[in-house]
Amino acid sequence: QVQLQGSGPGLVKPSETLSLTCNVSGGSSSSSSYYWSWIRQPAGKGLEWIGRIYTSGSTNYNPSLKSRVAMSVDSSTNQFSLSLSSVTAADTAIYYCVRGYYDSRRPLDFWGQGTLVTVSS
Amino acid sequence: QSVLTQPPSVSGAPGQRVTISCTGSSSNIGADYGVHWYQQFPGTAPKVLLYADTNRPSGVPDRFSGSKSGTSASLSITGLQAEDEADYYCQSYDNSLIGWVFGGGTKVTVL
Repeated sequence: QVQLQGSGPGLVKPSETLSLTCNVSGGSSSSSSYYWSWIRQPAGKGLEWIGRIYTSGSTNYNPSLKSRVAMSVDSSTNQFSLSLSSVTAADTAIYYCVRGYYDSRRPLDFWGQGTLVTVSS
Repeated sequence: QSVLTQPPSVSGAPGQRVTISCTGSSSNIGADYGVHWYQQFPGTAPKVLLYADTNRPSGVPDRFSGSKSGTSASLSITGLQAEDEADYYCQSYDNSLIGWVFGGGTKVTVL
């Protein structure tokens, strides 16, 4: 059974960079079928797709966040990472790491437990 | 503003049928990309409820069903039960944004 475990600081100061890592167990982050993605959810609000990275390293980012986002994947450690720069209070949210597929007919099938990140001084 | 549009809330009495709509456009649902539905309980991560428009993962009761037509999709719950009270999200792929898109979510309340 695949498990995703996100980790990172729970508190980030405004204007600084948010950095999160997701550890993939029970499967391989190097499989050619998968996209590894980050999705966030502010308290009481809906889901927002941040971006995704393919095992080849190619990325797609939400246009609304593209200028501040960077993702990477390390197949040797079965981890993938998110970096979001110049954060503000609006970036306060639960951040989920998620597995998806190249095939759009397959869902986002495994989700991490979520990491609460608060942006505050 | 979400790319896919869902009603904020729907409600029904136990045993009734409720339907949640998910309206998109020609660059997502209308382009025949798969529509997926997720169920989320407070304090937990979303979980796949339906995938590829109409398919139920193993373990999902058959009172949950999906359909798609044109630029819209819908999730129906027949024989509503108290345990179905949750938030529901639709999701698809958008070839204009080149990424995944979500609906704003619908809260289902069992009266």
